[in-house]
Amino acid sequence: QQPVQSPQAVILREGEDAVINCSSSKALYSVHWYRQKHGEAPVFLMILLKGGEQKGHDKISASFNEKKQQSSLYLTASQLSYSGTYFCGTEYNFGNEKLTFGTGTRLTIIP
Amino acid sequence: NAGVTQTPKFQVLKTGQSMTLQCAQDMNHNSMYWYRQDPGMGLRLIYYSASEGTTDKGEVPNGYNVSRLNKREFSLRLESAAPSQTSVYFCASSEYGGLWSQPQHFGDGTRLSIL
Repeated sequence: QQPVQSPQAVILREGEDAVINCSSSKALYSVHWYRQKHGEAPVFLMILLKGGEQKGHDKISASFNEKKQQSSLYLTASQLSYSGTYFCGTEYNFGNEKLTFGTGTRLTIIP
Repeated sequence: NAGVTQTPKFQVLKTGQSMTLQCAQDMNHNSMYWYRQDPGMGLRLIYYSASEGTTDKGEVPNGYNVSRLNKREFSLRLESAAPSQTSVYFCASSEYGGLWSQPQHFGDGTRLSIL
């Protein structure tokens, strides 16, 4: 079952913050986040596991809310290099299925 | 290191033609994957190989075949191309083997058009 990402698109000025959500109607085991720049390959950012801690890398972090079955990706003090489409991939059962990807959130950072 | 290398980068085929998309990784990874990406849709898994010598169907396997030639190489074949197979194809790999592994590194993609 495909996760729902919101918003579908967002435009920010450099230095502003963004939050991207990935929601599921089924109980999640893990959520994987990727970024894809136009015409390029997706790049793995981080994985959030059920019951795990909030992850962070530089000014990009993510959390996992079990009650809402949702993961949120936080981009603080956004930089031009953060522009791209962000995808979440969800896993519902450990060990016997592959990721189901959302349709993506297009983030545009302007100077 | 090149990472995950896909060839060709672009290809135009006529309906009914066949072709093989090549993928090779130089990271000694155990698992490899083939995805397709269509406008407005997420990545969809076609086939994967959890380890050398094994392959399994993903979400959209119809019309495709795969071969895990060795640990480095994982090819995707379209036997009789159809316009519905027009897409961008990504190969990916993971250092982890087994059913629980998920894609970590992606190639640059093959843009395939079927006329």
